[in-house]
Amino acid sequence: SAVISQKPSRDICQRGTSLTIQCQVDSQVTMMFWYRQQPGQSLTLIATANQGSEATYESGFVIDKFPISRPNLTFSTLTVSNMSPEDSSIYLCSVEFPGWEDTQYFGPGTRLTVL
Amino acid sequence: RKEVEQDPGPFNVPEGATVAFNCTYSNSASQSFFWYRQDCRKEPKLLMSVYSSGNEDGRFTAQLNRASQYISLLIRDSKLSDSATYLCAVRSSGGSYIPTFGRGTSLIVHP
Repeated sequence: SAVISQKPSRDICQRGTSLTIQCQVDSQVTMMFWYRQQPGQSLTLIATANQGSEATYESGFVIDKFPISRPNLTFSTLTVSNMSPEDSSIYLCSVEFPGWEDTQYFGPGTRLTVL
Repeated sequence: RKEVEQDPGPFNVPEGATVAFNCTYSNSASQSFFWYRQDCRKEPKLLMSVYSSGNEDGRFTAQLNRASQYISLLIRDSKLSDSATYLCAVRSSGGSYIPTFGRGTSLIVHP
């Protein structure tokens, strides 16, 4: 089975700084997604990242705050910009594998704490 | 009404018990349904898809009730290792076809 990895696994950051989270898949995928999960809450989709096109953001999320890159079919980054304590959350990437587009598989997540 | 709703629990049951969770959805055009398991501080992992006819995988049984718009997950002979949060996910036809997740139901199985 394919492996999805994320870096960093966790970080503690100061208010006003930015953090870039990486998501790497060991096989090519068309669709990659970025989610946020705050304590006790459901998974909230931030954006969909397809290779070769601009990311599509969900309501309440904007590119200036969460810029996303998708340079190829195995890699994506999410940046959390100008962080505030409200951005403290777990950030998860997920993918849909060719032939299994009905199902999402998640990376291990990045636990972010903003002081 | 939220698109996908789950009782957050926690459900606290003894080993060997049978426990069932429901997940209601509001969009009647929903087409695909899933149960995920999420352990503390870990990512959600697919437990099973839910088929129209219902499906079983060992001690786990998933069912779909389209008329009442809910899916269920039944766990028989609960093990300590079943303790986790169980998330349901629902996908609808049209639009972006991206699943909506429930908040999850916490299960604690005690000795």
